[in-house]
Amino acid sequence: NAGVTQTPKFRVLKTGQSMTLLCAQDMNHEYMYWYRQDPGMGLRLIHYSVGEGTTAKGEVPDGYNVSRLKKQNFLLGLESAAPSQTSVYFCASRDIPNTEAFFGQGTRLTVV
Amino acid sequence: DAKTTQPTSMDCAEGRAANLPCNHSTISGNEYVYWYRQIHSQGPQYIIHGLKNNETNEMASLIITEDRKSSTLILPHATLRDTAVYYCIVTRRPGGGADGLTFGKGTHLIIQP
Repeated sequence: NAGVTQTPKFRVLKTGQSMTLLCAQDMNHEYMYWYRQDPGMGLRLIHYSVGEGTTAKGEVPDGYNVSRLKKQNFLLGLESAAPSQTSVYFCASRDIPNTEAFFGQGTRLTVV
Repeated sequence: DAKTTQPTSMDCAEGRAANLPCNHSTISGNEYVYWYRQIHSQGPQYIIHGLKNNETNEMASLIITEDRKSSTLILPHATLRDTAVYYCIVTRRPGGGADGLTFGKGTHLIIQP
């Protein structure tokens, strides 16, 4: 049982480049989340999804897009990367009525 | 959701009980207290949660004061692997509701050998 898997684990982008981060969960969870974490800060919610085909904005959605075409996958896209998007990105999932959230190991993104 | 206040950092000797305080003086009657931890920039890990009663599981115990204005997470026999940032989160929605939990800066617990 892999849990929540994030791909890639590390990436360096140039300003203006685009990329997609993949989050995959094998627990059949309904809810999935993308967070970012900056040095010395807590996690901030970017976008979330309450089920296949649905997405919603979180606290810091600007500059990001998401898609949930399949229940097990939640994609985070950066259309035109900026240095301010340098961060560690975490994906999480949880089920109903289970209240425990499971997190991936993170993706460390650097935009130069 | 009520705000929480945690110390920025704490030390504890290996093998001793680690007691992590959390103040949530504005908590309302239907708000839950959750604890997560984050080890060395890994993804956060759920520890325990409670509403009114004290709770215990294989990882920790959660003690909530009678007036619910504060709580303490207890790691009974701390090991070096318990060095992590511990987040206390208060929410009225089980699990934080659809949009999840709000993570503050937490307490950096350092277990000393």
